[in-house]
Amino acid sequence: DTAVSQTPKYLVTQMGNDKSIKCEQNLGHDTMYWYKQDSKKFLKIMFSYNNKELIINETVPNRFSPKSPDKAHLNLHINSLELGDSAVYFCASSQDWVASGQQETQYFGPGTRLLVL
Amino acid sequence: QKEVEQNSGPLSVPEGAIASLNCTYSDRGSQSFFWYRQYSGKSPELIMSIYSNGDKEDGRFTAQLNKASQYVSLLIRDSQPSDSATYLCAVNDQAGTALIFGKGTTLSVSS
Repeated sequence: DTAVSQTPKYLVTQMGNDKSIKCEQNLGHDTMYWYKQDSKKFLKIMFSYNNKELIINETVPNRFSPKSPDKAHLNLHINSLELGDSAVYFCASSQDWVASGQQETQYFGPGTRLLVL
Repeated sequence: QKEVEQNSGPLSVPEGAIASLNCTYSDRGSQSFFWYRQYSGKSPELIMSIYSNGDKEDGRFTAQLNKASQYVSLLIRDSQPSDSATYLCAVNDQAGTALIFGKGTTLSVSS
């Protein structure tokens, strides 16, 4: 009965490779997010989708491409991986992206630990 | 540049004491404020949300918000060793579309 799930949990790969991380939520939420947490534990928004449409696209290299096949899934594809991409990537979801000007609570997945060698 | 500032710590308190965690934010239009707890190697989990000025209590946790001072805090009463974690303050941007996180305060509760 996991609310927000991610696969894989760990990902070790070589520089230059292309990899994907999958995220699924069974909460019936309309909005999903991708965050990156670096080695200093700083958590930063990368993308947000609402009902399969892109809302937020922060300053992220275009090697990162999110894809939302339906509102329960938000996948992250990374091309030409670089050493600096090593981090923990968290998927999150919320009921909606704004309700009366207030941000809905976001629920986080377990994270995907990416190590680029 | 919208910012959320927290002291990185570590904040060390003895078991049973009150832990006070502070956060300031730069976007005066922010309306939603959250405290998340993150254990090492785990994902952030919501502790408290607060939207209005004043105090909000939930068990041993109290969130305090002062929008005029752009300040939000979290008090943990009767601190337990299991409270040892990193506490992340998060604030929405004025558009309400994104959460901006602070770098977190590491709390250590000694028994």
